[in-house]
Amino acid sequence: GAVVSQHPSRVICKSGTSVKIECRSLDFQATTMFWYRQFPKKSLMLMATSNEGSKATYEQGVEKDKFLINHASLTLSTLTVTSAHPEDSSFYICSAQAGLTGELFFGEGSRLTVL
Amino acid sequence: RKEVEQDPGPFNVPEGATVAFNCTYSNSASQSFFWYRQDCRKEPKLLMSVYSSGNEDGRFTAQLNRASQYISLLIRDSKLSDSATYLCVVNLSGGSYIPTFGRGTSLIVHP
Repeated sequence: GAVVSQHPSRVICKSGTSVKIECRSLDFQATTMFWYRQFPKKSLMLMATSNEGSKATYEQGVEKDKFLINHASLTLSTLTVTSAHPEDSSFYICSAQAGLTGELFFGEGSRLTVL
Repeated sequence: RKEVEQDPGPFNVPEGATVAFNCTYSNSASQSFFWYRQDCRKEPKLLMSVYSSGNEDGRFTAQLNRASQYISLLIRDSKLSDSATYLCVVNLSGGSYIPTFGRGTSLIVHP
């Protein structure tokens, strides 16, 4: 099956710093990628839809200036958590959508801990 | 009403049991349907697509009922390793597919 790689898998940072997470589709082109966050024992929460070559579409309540999304190519989307705070600590997951079937392929997730 | 609804469970079943989950969706224009499995602290992984005619993969059977707007997942002969959260995903076609997730159903298979 298709592969989506997400990096880094774990990151620990200090409050106030910015963290960039990369999501790459390795063997297919993804015009659309999605970013989610998930708190322990909670369901996935869609943060934004990332479209190649255009601005991301953010879900209600998600601050676009805090969670910067860039989708500069058909195989790479990045999420930057700016000025991170402890409450941003979470599991962030990306997914890329296969064009023909709409099937989603997920990255391995990035566990962010902000001290 | 939520667009995609699932019973969160948990469903607690013994090994060898048969268990079924349903997932209802509200938009009749939904185009494609999937079941994903998510293990604790891991990303969701595709379990199976759901076809109009129904489909089976080993112990797993998925069905779609468009008239009643639900999909189902049946697991036969449950194994301990089936313990996970099962997510249904419904795609609405609007130019490109727009996926909507259910909240997931937790399954615990015990010895």
